Amino acid sequence: NAGVTQTPKFQVLKTGQSMTLQCAQDMNHNSMYWYRQDPGMGLRLIYYSASEGTTDKGEVPNGYNVSRLNKREFSLRLESAAPSQTSVYFCASSGTGAADEQYFGPGTRLTVT
Amino acid sequence: QKEVEQNSGPLSVPEGAIASLNCTYSDRGSQSFFWYRQYSGKSPELIMSIYSNGDKEDGRFTAQLNKASQYVSLLIRDSQPSDSATYLCAVNDGSSASKIIFGSGTRLSIRP
Repeated sequence: NAGVTQTPKFQVLKTGQSMTLQCAQDMNHNSMYWYRQDPGMGLRLIYYSASEGTTDKGEVPNGYNVSRLNKREFSLRLESAAPSQTSVYFCASSGTGAADEQYFGPGTRLTVT
Repeated sequence: QKEVEQNSGPLSVPEGAIASLNCTYSDRGSQSFFWYRQYSGKSPELIMSIYSNGDKEDGRFTAQLNKASQYVSLLIRDSQPSDSATYLCAVNDGSSASKIIFGSGTRLSIRP
């Protein structure tokens, strides 16, 4: 039972390049999330998927797109990377309902030059 | 804007003492409250969740909730150097069942 997995662990991009961050969970959770974490800013929600087939914007969605491929997988795409997107990206998953805790993947450290 | 406020620290506590971490939140509709621990360079790890007013104990950790005051706290008894980390308070968004709002964290340092 791997929990939440993310690939890649590290990535360096040049401004304008595109990439997709992959996330998968094996806990049969309905909801999945993408966050970014910057020093002193805490975790900020980019997009989330409350259930398979639905996605919604979070606090900072500009410059990103997401795909809920199936119940297990939720990807985050940067179409044209910018230095402001340099951050650590975390994927998380949870069951449904207000009581359910979120469990995090190990993160992807992205640098855009 | 719904907010979760924490003192950023650092909070320095001697080994063996009680560490007290505090959090306030703005959304009166919130029903679920969480504490996460994050070591430097690692992902957040859930350590406690609490849903009812009062205290909830788990080993050396005690979470306290006061919904009337919109206040959540975490006590760590017999603090160990391994407790040195950033502690994130998180609260569910009362208007969206799937979302959690995170505070920016309190950095805790346990000195030998």
